[in-house]
Amino acid sequence: AQKITQTQPGMFVQEKEAVTLDCTYDTSDQSYGLFWYKQPSSGEMIFLIYQGSYDEQNATEGRYSLNFQKARKSANLVISASQLGDSAMYFCAMRGYNFNKFYFGSGTKLNVKP
Amino acid sequence: NAGVTQTPKFQVLKTGQSMTLQCAQDMNHEYMSWYRQDPGMGLRLIHYSVGAGITDQGEVPNGYNVSRSTTEDFPLRLLSAAPSQTSVYFCASSSYEGNEQFFGPGTRLTVL
Repeated sequence: AQKITQTQPGMFVQEKEAVTLDCTYDTSDQSYGLFWYKQPSSGEMIFLIYQGSYDEQNATEGRYSLNFQKARKSANLVISASQLGDSAMYFCAMRGYNFNKFYFGSGTKLNVKP
Repeated sequence: NAGVTQTPKFQVLKTGQSMTLQCAQDMNHEYMSWYRQDPGMGLRLIHYSVGAGITDQGEVPNGYNVSRSTTEDFPLRLLSAAPSQTSVYFCASSSYEGNEQFFGPGTRLTVL
């Protein structure tokens, strides 16, 4: 069975500082993908970053990077230089061997303070 | 290119009523999915499809039906609405080759 765990229900960060959102996963699949999505208060789901299980380098997209530690089964999201617009819910998700089945964590609510 | 569209945006039903949530995508994606998001929780997979004529159950399929007669459309039917089905429903699509799943704007459903 696939499972995603996000242990931080809420976090605060000062504007312009970096923040790490934790995500651990459990799967028996050899090939899988890890995703992070942002959900602002308006409700839409915004794709941020993807990491494949066979990718040797950590994924980066602008201010977002994914700290992938395969042996520890963790896929933490790092947001550098936080902005007020980063305040939102953040969801970690995993897709296993079945490409169409995504499993989501319970989310972390990030508040960026001015 | 509209991406993934969902209608309606809001809906209020009475217990026992039936209705269909519409979902369409114009990206020619093979995969389409329906999720529900309850307050304070992540998304849970209801049903999914890997192509026209092929559907399968996700984590929480009870009380819902789907069909996929075309690549573009993937409607979700509530057979007999219950208060426990009050939720926000998201439709999503993705391609076999791609890594990103594209989401619709969501439908907020309240069952009284």
